[in-house]
Formats: sequence, structure tokens, C-alpha cells
Amino acid sequence: GESVGLHLPTLSVQEGDNSIINCAYSNSASDYFIWYKQESGKGPQFIIDIRSNMDKRQGQRVTVLLNKTVKHLSLQIAATQPGDSAVYFCAEMDQGGKLIFGQGTELSVKP
Amino acid sequence: KAGVTQTPRYLIKTRGQQVTLSCSPISGHRSVSWYQQTPGQGLQFLFEYFSETQRNKGNFPGRFSGRQFSNSRSEMNVSTLELGDSALYLCASSDGTLGNTIYFGEGSWLTVV
Repeated sequence: GESVGLHLPTLSVQEGDNSIINCAYSNSASDYFIWYKQESGKGPQFIIDIRSNMDKRQGQRVTVLLNKTVKHLSLQIAATQPGDSAVYFCAEMDQGGKLIFGQGTELSVKP
Repeated sequence: KAGVTQTPRYLIKTRGQQVTLSCSPISGHRSVSWYQQTPGQGLQFLFEYFSETQRNKGNFPGRFSGRQFSNSRSEMNVSTLELGDSALYLCASSDGTLGNTIYFGEGSWLTVV
């Protein structure tokens, strides 16, 4: 069935370094992907999205890359800060409009 | 513009009881969807309502139900609570157009004892 999975459950980076969080998806028909950040005790917060007609999209300090050939999605965070520490989820939207989430990657930023 | 608002934030219920959770979407949004988040299963889709009609449904038993009112506010109900229903229940809203951004509320933490 459809699934979205993250390669790494945890990621630890030094403050100021760049972070890369990866995600694999299985449904080649998916055409909309979202990255969410979830801090402890809070709901998922929208970070950035990308449609399947794009390979790359940039936001403020964040970039999402989409490789449809290998069904891979990544989130790059530039100059990672302590406030970036959270769990990051990728999600794909299926044809019915529901989001299918990956298991999440916990990002820990060391000062 | 206010975000997605969920009430209550925390609640404790006993097995066998039922619970109703409420969600107010972002103003102007007509789609409300519900997700269950647990450590073991992650984030799983429950159902989606659009213009008072259930438009999409996940793979949850019939004990989980929902509804949407004419003002787009939504409620979800879980009857005959089981210990395994302990979870964070998240509500999300969007304008209902496929492929448009979905925004989440802070969730309702349900503990079943």
C-alpha cells in the first residue's frame, strides 16, 4: 500500500551547520508533498511544500528537493539553530486528499 | 487570523466511556480533517469533512465518528473508549482544494485509563 518513510529516526547536528532530512515515498502518483515540524507538546507546523512539477523549492532557510525518479524527498535547513530542534515529518497527499505521514525524524541541535 | 483551534487540550477518560473533541478551522476554510498520533503508529488519518459531508475516511473502526457544522466547525466522537485510544488527536483545516496547504491545530491529548 501507500507509505511514506523516513530513512533516519534521529539526526544530531552542530549549531550553525546545515541539516538534511530525508524521506522516501512509495506512491509515484502522488503530486503534492509537505514538510511539517512538530515541537514537543504541539501540533505539526507547516514548513514548506512542493508539487510534483517542481524539483526544488526554497523558503526562508529551508529548501525542499524532490526526486521523482527515485521517489525521494529531502528537507535542507541552512544554519541550523537550537530552535530548529523538533521532529520533522514528510507527508504525501494521496489522490483523495488525505495526508500520509512518514514516521518522523528527530532533529537535535547541539550548541 | 486565528489558527486551528482545538478543545479540550487535555482530557482523561475511563474505558467504556465516550468522548467528543471539537475543532474550529481557520476562518474561510471549509475542509476539516482529523488525525490520530501515537508513538507506535505515528500520524494516521481518521476522516475529512467538507461542507458538512464526510469526503474521505481512514481505516478506523466505527467507534470513531465525526461531523461538521454549517460554520465549518467540526467534532469527532469516540465511543466505548479503549486503552489503545490514548493519543493526540489532531485537527487540520484547509480551503478544501486538493493540493492546497493543510494547517494543524495543537491537538487534544486523550488519556484512557
